[in-house]
Amino acid sequence: DSGVTQTPKHLITATGQRVTLRCSPRSGDLSVYWYQQSLDQGLQFLIQYYNGEERAKGNILERFSAQQFPDLHSELNLSSLELGDSALYFCASSKRGSGGTNEQFFGPGTRLTVL
Amino acid sequence: AQSVTQLDSQVPVFEEAPVELRCNYSSSVSVYLFWYVQYPNQGLQLLLKYLSGSTLVESINGFEAEFNKSQTSFHLRKPSVHISDTAEYFCAVRTQGGSEKLVFGKGTKLTVNP
Repeated sequence: DSGVTQTPKHLITATGQRVTLRCSPRSGDLSVYWYQQSLDQGLQFLIQYYNGEERAKGNILERFSAQQFPDLHSELNLSSLELGDSALYFCASSKRGSGGTNEQFFGPGTRLTVL
Repeated sequence: AQSVTQLDSQVPVFEEAPVELRCNYSSSVSVYLFWYVQYPNQGLQLLLKYLSGSTLVESINGFEAEFNKSQTSFHLRKPSVHISDTAEYFCAVRTQGGSEKLVFGKGTKLTVNP
């Protein structure tokens, strides 16, 4: 158990819908990262937040958005869902925003299925 | 931009046999290197990492990896595998002094057969 929690574990929804994935980082960690794991694209970095502010952006679609709240939990919002958004979404957390020893700890993931 | 290539998508081996999972990377700047393991229906766990110093790094469960700068490789090895090592293994890089994002390879599925 990494200490990073993600809810829900599974989510099944229809095309065009909107969903919210939630992540609680390890106690004391200030950074949260979101990754998408799909069969065709593999594991891809989406976005990083550090202490409530966006720190880095990856291949995140405009239909997707994220935020980190004052209690440091984070939410990833996915809207106008398409079949191709079906994937495993991982959250990771780390103590700091940057640094060589800034290890990322991964949560168990949320499996999103779009029908 | 960085990229990671894991040359084998699947590696089947027998129990107690040695195994090598290959990883090559491409980057115009210095990187940190990582191996993560994903057991079925679980999240990613850090197996080992190279940040600096000795180019040979070891994990607590018998895996080791060697950073080879000239060949831009970070292959993962274990001299004798167990059934419990069956999992998917991901090689990843992160730039030194830059973004914290991890860039992952496509993964290698290791299946250990009795």
